[in-house]
Amino acid sequence: GAVVSQHPSWVICKSGTSVKIECRSLDFQATTMFWYRQFPKQSLMLMATSNEGSKATYEQGVEKDKFLINHASLTLSTLTVTSAHPEDSSFYICSAPFAGGTSGNTIYFGEGSWLTVV
Amino acid sequence: SQKIEQNSEALNIQEGKTATLTCNYTNYSPAYLQWYRQDPGRGPVFLLLIRENEKEKRKERLKVTFDTTLKQSLFHITASQPADSATYLCALATDSWGKLQFGAGTQVVVTP
Repeated sequence: GAVVSQHPSWVICKSGTSVKIECRSLDFQATTMFWYRQFPKQSLMLMATSNEGSKATYEQGVEKDKFLINHASLTLSTLTVTSAHPEDSSFYICSAPFAGGTSGNTIYFGEGSWLTVV
Repeated sequence: SQKIEQNSEALNIQEGKTATLTCNYTNYSPAYLQWYRQDPGRGPVFLLLIRENEKEKRKERLKVTFDTTLKQSLFHITASQPADSATYLCALATDSWGKLQFGAGTQVVVTP
């Protein structure tokens, strides 16, 4: 079935450095993907909509210059956390809508990427 | 945006019983509402989607109801098993397909 893969699953980086997280749709094309962030014991919060071939759309309060999103192909979106700080430490999750199939329209989520900034 | 409320307290239930979770929202009724399961440290897994014109949806031991008058969805796990222990998230569609707003989730703990 349709699968969304994220890489890396976890990453530790030093404060001030940049980290890239990849989100791939493995067996379907996704013109749109979504990036969420989840702090411990809290809900998933939508950060941005990643659009293939055009600029990402950011939610209010999310800094587009800090969280760079590139949707380079129909199966890959990347989120780069630039100049990371400890407060950026969180669980980052992507999703991709899949239209069709035996289950009908479904939204598949990646396994998430744990980012720890030290 | 919507305010989505789910019980923040964990639901402890004995194996074999039915777990019932509540999702309330405050503003407009969405075109559809979804329920997800999330295990610790993992991404959410889609369970069920119910549309605004549907009253009830079932999938195996899961049942979802959607009452747009009450602005509420109920999620039932019948004949619960320890493997059902997880956090269950309610999610509402926003202005485009695939773009979701999530509740904080309710943790379910099923004991043998």
